[in-house]
Amino acid sequence: GDSVTQMEGPVTLSEEAFLTINCTYTATGYPSLFWYVQYPGEGLQLLLKATKADDKGSNKGFEATYRKETTSFHLEKGSVQVSDSAVYFCALIDNYGQNFVFGPGTRLSVLP
Amino acid sequence: DSGVTQTPKHLITATGQRVTLRCSPRSGDLSVYWYQQSLDQGLQFLIQYYNGEERAKGNILERFSAQQFPDLHSELNLSSLELGDSALYFCASSVDAGPYGYTFGSGTRLTVV
Repeated sequence: GDSVTQMEGPVTLSEEAFLTINCTYTATGYPSLFWYVQYPGEGLQLLLKATKADDKGSNKGFEATYRKETTSFHLEKGSVQVSDSAVYFCALIDNYGQNFVFGPGTRLSVLP
Repeated sequence: DSGVTQTPKHLITATGQRVTLRCSPRSGDLSVYWYQQSLDQGLQFLIQYYNGEERAKGNILERFSAQQFPDLHSELNLSSLELGDSALYFCASSVDAGPYGYTFGSGTRLTVV
């Protein structure tokens, strides 16, 4: 079945450091890919998405590019802030919209 | 405010009891999804309803059930509660079951003592 793998956390960075959170997926067909963020005590919020190969999703300084050849959707940010501390979930939905699969989440802590 | 409303925000109950969690989807959304988030098992899909009909079922225990009403709000019923049912329960909604992503509510934190 479809699956999403993320790098294990926690990831601890200093403010203004470069962030990469790796995400790879296994799916048949052409899934849509998503990054969700969960701030402490809150629900999941959609951060960005990409619906086809080579699409780049971006939001709030975060970017991820849908790489079909490497089945990856790595999340990047050039300069993290303390307010970016949260849990980040990579997810996919198959092209029939029938199966939404989340990765295990990666906790990010940004220190001042 | 995401537009998806979950009540109550917190619930503390004893083992063996039954509780009902409520979710009102974002206006215009026909699909409702329930997820359980626990520390050791991450985010687990429980069940999906689309316009009142069950659409997909995930790792939902037999002690749990859900329904979606004509006004599209949904309820998740948890019975014979065990300590291990303590978790965050999230509801999400979407326009349909297509690849557009979901909008999540802020969750109900259930503590079974």
